[in-house]
Amino acid sequence: GQNIDQPTEMTATEGAIVQINCTYQTSGFNGLFWYQQHAGEAPTFLSYNVLDGLEEKGRFSSFLSRSKGYSYLLLKELQMKDSASYLCAVKDSNYQLIWGAGTKLIIKP
Amino acid sequence: GAVVSQHPSRVICKSGTSVKIECRSLDFQATTMFWYRQFPKKSLMLMATSNEGSKATYEQGVEKDKFLINHASLTLSTLTVTSAHPEDSSFYICSARIRDTSYTFGSGTRLTVV
Repeated sequence: GQNIDQPTEMTATEGAIVQINCTYQTSGFNGLFWYQQHAGEAPTFLSYNVLDGLEEKGRFSSFLSRSKGYSYLLLKELQMKDSASYLCAVKDSNYQLIWGAGTKLIIKP
Repeated sequence: GAVVSQHPSRVICKSGTSVKIECRSLDFQATTMFWYRQFPKKSLMLMATSNEGSKATYEQGVEKDKFLINHASLTLSTLTVTSAHPEDSSFYICSARIRDTSYTFGSGTRLTVV
């Protein structure tokens, strides 16, 4: 079956750095997405990786290793507004998005 | 950027009634719309994929007669929850593919069936 694993919850301190991991087992791979979702709202796009390596976008970076079926989202200089759920999604061989359950990130002052 | 407008944002309905949720692409043509359901603290669950001018493709376990999807134009897709029951209470979200590397979401609809 297809599976996306992320930690359920993480806690970090304002101003610090946090890394959210995602491992996947899917039928084929055509890209990996990271989305941010605040409670009661729709997800918003953060990043897309299709080749191995690190993609940096401001305070957020995303890394992919296709051979390991692994990705992480790195958030730097954490702000209180970064408190949200972070969803990992993989596009499989049928170009369908398979979603992880999300990681709830709690930022403490 | 590409925007999908979803309405209503919240709806409370009585058991047995039907509720229609609309998703409109405001500045682009959405040939394909994805409809998701999300339970609290759970992942997005794909319910169906709708393509303009053709029948929707439903995921296994999703009742097509209960969740009616219509995609009559390139800018409008609707989901109608028929004969709603309390167990249908959930967060429903639509999503359109902008290009292979980008999907945009509607703002979601919180449905509560009482």
